[in-house]
Amino acid sequence: QVQLVESGGGVVQPGRSLRLSCSASGFTFSIYGMHWVRQAPGKGLEWVAGMSYDGSDEYYVESVKGRFIISRDNSKNTLYLQMNRLRAEDTAVYFCAKDLDSYSFDGSAYDYWGLGTLVTVSS
Amino acid sequence: DIVLTQSPDSLAVSLGERATINCKSSQNIFYSSNNKNYLAWYQQRPGQPPKLLIYWASTRKSGVPDRFTGSGSGTDFTLTISSLQAEDVAVYYCHQYYNAPPWTFGQGTKVEIK
Repeated sequence: QVQLVESGGGVVQPGRSLRLSCSASGFTFSIYGMHWVRQAPGKGLEWVAGMSYDGSDEYYVESVKGRFIISRDNSKNTLYLQMNRLRAEDTAVYFCAKDLDSYSFDGSAYDYWGLGTLVTVSS
Repeated sequence: DIVLTQSPDSLAVSLGERATINCKSSQNIFYSSNNKNYLAWYQQRPGQPPKLLIYWASTRKSGVPDRFTGSGSGTDFTLTISSLQAEDVAVYYCHQYYNAPPWTFGQGTKVEIK
């Protein structure tokens, strides 16, 4: 069965960096676009970043452009999110999510989500 | 950016009664070239990740009970739970995946038992 397992969260001071990982199993990782979606405590969902199945395209929400970098290693079935110059407003649970449609990065619902990893930015 | 506005923010419905959630998009999210509305609905129970219920505005994901129905087109969409069950207590989100990013979610609607 499809599994997405995030790791790498924790408590970090403002201005520091953190790298999240999402380990995927149970499906052919290399043919699906993948995304990071976050949820601040008690708040709604916010799409953060996405990457095409082959890594050729990457997109970000405006608030993280220039600070976060999404990447993937299809040989390791793993998605990453490098988060630099972290701010208090980046505090959230970060979920990785899989595109419903294969080979279709533009325009897909997300059919599987991980349990999330909590990132807390605080001094 | 496309803004999705859900209404109401919360609702309380008796067991077995109908629950209706609306989602209004600030832009048309219907592609005439493929006749599809780029909208999904998710359910998030407390302490859990979101779960996909409906995609393409009205296609129910395999395994989702048929009491969940999605409808609408263009800018106005609805999620209907025909007969509310206890396990349906959750927050429900609409999500647009039209065109270029950023892809966005509605603010969520909390469904409780009356």
